[in-house]
Amino acid sequence: DGGITQSPKYLFRKEGQNVTLSCEQNLNHDAMYWYRQDPGQGLRLIYYSQIVNDFQKGDIAEGYSVSREKKESFPLTVTSAQKNPTAFYLCASIGKGRATSGVRNEQFFGPGTRLTVL
Amino acid sequence: AQSVTQLGSHVSVSEGALVLLRCNYSSSVPPYLFWYVQYPNQGLQLLLKYTSAATLVKGINGFEAEFKKSETSFHLTKPSAHMSDAAEYFCAVSLYSGNTPLVFGKGTRLSVIA
Repeated sequence: DGGITQSPKYLFRKEGQNVTLSCEQNLNHDAMYWYRQDPGQGLRLIYYSQIVNDFQKGDIAEGYSVSREKKESFPLTVTSAQKNPTAFYLCASIGKGRATSGVRNEQFFGPGTRLTVL
Repeated sequence: AQSVTQLGSHVSVSEGALVLLRCNYSSSVPPYLFWYVQYPNQGLQLLLKYTSAATLVKGINGFEAEFKKSETSFHLTKPSAHMSDAAEYFCAVSLYSGNTPLVFGKGTRLSVIA
């Protein structure tokens, strides 16, 4: 089955450490996204990539970095510069044409990674 | 820039009662509008999407939403709530189809009382 996987599901970080969250998709989608979710805040866009080797900052990119070396993969690094990284992180992708649900250009989401700073 | 406002961070209904979750958008051009559902500690699942083909959009699990341009609204409804509908619901807007990032509302948590 096609879909998006995120790992790990739970991640604990000590202050001052960098951590990398994995996002992989086998939907052959061109565009991928990273969102941060905090209680009562909805989803806020961190970074997005519309094509391999290219990415753009979202609304809250400070303290985060990404790479897009392969179409299938869009890892997110939470750096020590991110002062309040505890949150639920969601990866999504979207591609051209009709998606499996029948809705054109549906944005598919992964199951999320919950990051906690100790 | 486009934005989304969801009225009510928490809505509680009795099982079998009407569900109404409110969403108003701000956009200078006709938007694409979405409703997503999220169960605890999971990703988001698309309920339905408005793309100007029809003002009343039917989605999964018995949900539907009506686009009202004059009111800049896209409220989500379901005639009869089920316990399994308890979740968080997000309204989102995009100006364009394709790969443009969505702008999300802050979400409404729906509780269903037996």
